[in-house]
Amino acid sequence: SAVISQKPSRDICQRGTSLTIQCQVDSQVTMMFWYRQQPGQSLTLIATANQGSEATYESGFVIDKFPISRPNLTFSTLTVSNMSPEDSSIYLCSVAKNGREAFFGQGTRLTVV
Amino acid sequence: AQKITQTQPGMFVQEKEAVTLDCTYDTSDQSYGLFWYKQPSSGEMIFLIYQGSYDEQNATEGRYSLNFQKARKSANLVISASQLGDSAMYFCAMREDFNAGGTSYGKLTFGQGTILTVHP
Repeated sequence: SAVISQKPSRDICQRGTSLTIQCQVDSQVTMMFWYRQQPGQSLTLIATANQGSEATYESGFVIDKFPISRPNLTFSTLTVSNMSPEDSSIYLCSVAKNGREAFFGQGTRLTVV
Repeated sequence: AQKITQTQPGMFVQEKEAVTLDCTYDTSDQSYGLFWYKQPSSGEMIFLIYQGSYDEQNATEGRYSLNFQKARKSANLVISASQLGDSAMYFCAMREDFNAGGTSYGKLTFGQGTILTVHP
C-alpha cells in the first residue's frame, strides 16, 4: 500500500485568506488527484495533477481558486484561495497504484469562518 | 459519463451478522475498476476492496467480498461477521481505465454513500 502524508489535518481559517494543503507520497506516482467532500456529501474531483505539466481541472473548478503544484513525482500541493464559508469541506489527495489500488491521504478538514 | 448509485442512505445490522451494501453503476467503457471505501467519522478514506471489469472471480479481502454482477452492472459489498468498528460511511467508486505511456490510471467517480450502523 502507498503511504500518503497529508497536512494539515484540520484548520480553521478566516474568510478571504488562503490555505495550502500538502501531500507527500512514499513512492513515485504519475498521477495525483485532489478531491473535495462538502459536509454530508460525497467526494468530487477537483483536479488531476501531473508532474511537469499544468493540472487538469474538472468542471466547476478553476485554477485561480484552487491552484495546484506538482514539483516532483512524490509531492503536490492544493491551495484554496480567497476562502469563503462555502469552502468548508474535507479536502483529500489520492494516488493510484498498480491499477488495482487507489489510496487517500488522511484528509484536511477545513472550516472557514 | 460514468454514474454510481448507492440506493441505501443508511443500513443497520446486528453485530456478528452479515450485511450487503448495494452499488450499481453505469458506463459505456469496457475496461473499468470498482472500489469500495470506508470512511469513519475521522474523515479518512480507507481502501477496502477492488474489482476489475475483466476479473473472472469476485474479489475478497478478509471479511469483505464484492458481489460483482457485470451484466446487471452491480458491485455490492458484503461484510461478513459485522463488528462494532464497522460502523462508518461506505462509498462505492468507479475508475475509468485508459493508458498513457503504458500506465493505467484514472479518476474515481463516487456514489453518495451508505451509513452503516452496527448494533451490539
